Amino acid sequence: DAGVIQSPRHEVTEMGQEVTLRCKPISGHDYLFWYRQTMMRGLELLIYFNNNVPIDDSGMPEDRFSAKMPNASFSTLKIQPSEPRDSAVYFCASSLVRESEQFFGPGTRLTVL
Amino acid sequence: SQKIEQNSEALNIQEGKTATLTCNYTNYSPAYLQWYRQDPGRGPVFLLLIRENEKEKRKERLKVTFDTTLKQSLFHITASQPADSATYLCALDGGYSTLTFGKGTMLLVSP
Repeated sequence: DAGVIQSPRHEVTEMGQEVTLRCKPISGHDYLFWYRQTMMRGLELLIYFNNNVPIDDSGMPEDRFSAKMPNASFSTLKIQPSEPRDSAVYFCASSLVRESEQFFGPGTRLTVL
Repeated sequence: SQKIEQNSEALNIQEGKTATLTCNYTNYSPAYLQWYRQDPGRGPVFLLLIRENEKEKRKERLKVTFDTTLKQSLFHITASQPADSATYLCALDGGYSTLTFGKGTMLLVSP
């Protein structure tokens, strides 16, 4: 398996624009997680899915953030409209079952000017 | 609220020595704890998991301890090598299949 795949790897956009981040989890994994990492706050959980169903989105900072998982092999995290404070590295991770290790993608570095 | 503390200062050691990293937590009773390694520009990579009923776990040159009374985990790398230089993240069971991560400690192993 190729591991967790994320695209794009880098995204530079202007304030107010819509940003869509994409993730393909490892085949067979039931859990998918979206994280955001900054120097100040570290790695923070935004939302996670179990069997394509959103379970907990309490980490999503604002209504500007939304996430979907239309099928077991694809998820998106959308920011609309984007703001400079959204600049961070966004990671997607997947895991097989509860309490198991999480496999992280390479991340998307987002810069909002 | 839950709080996880890892040394924010980088740990500098010489090759061949044992590196010991600390993870302390408060207001928490995690069922398990995980350690991850993160290299610059990459996602975290899983290293070890230890459960609350386990005192110690080993994997090759790595050893993790878990003291639920002290609310502390120690992560040891024996016979450290420059290739071990990275940031190491502690992650605690956040409930409902989630993990709560510490901010990590950077380890620098010099030849």
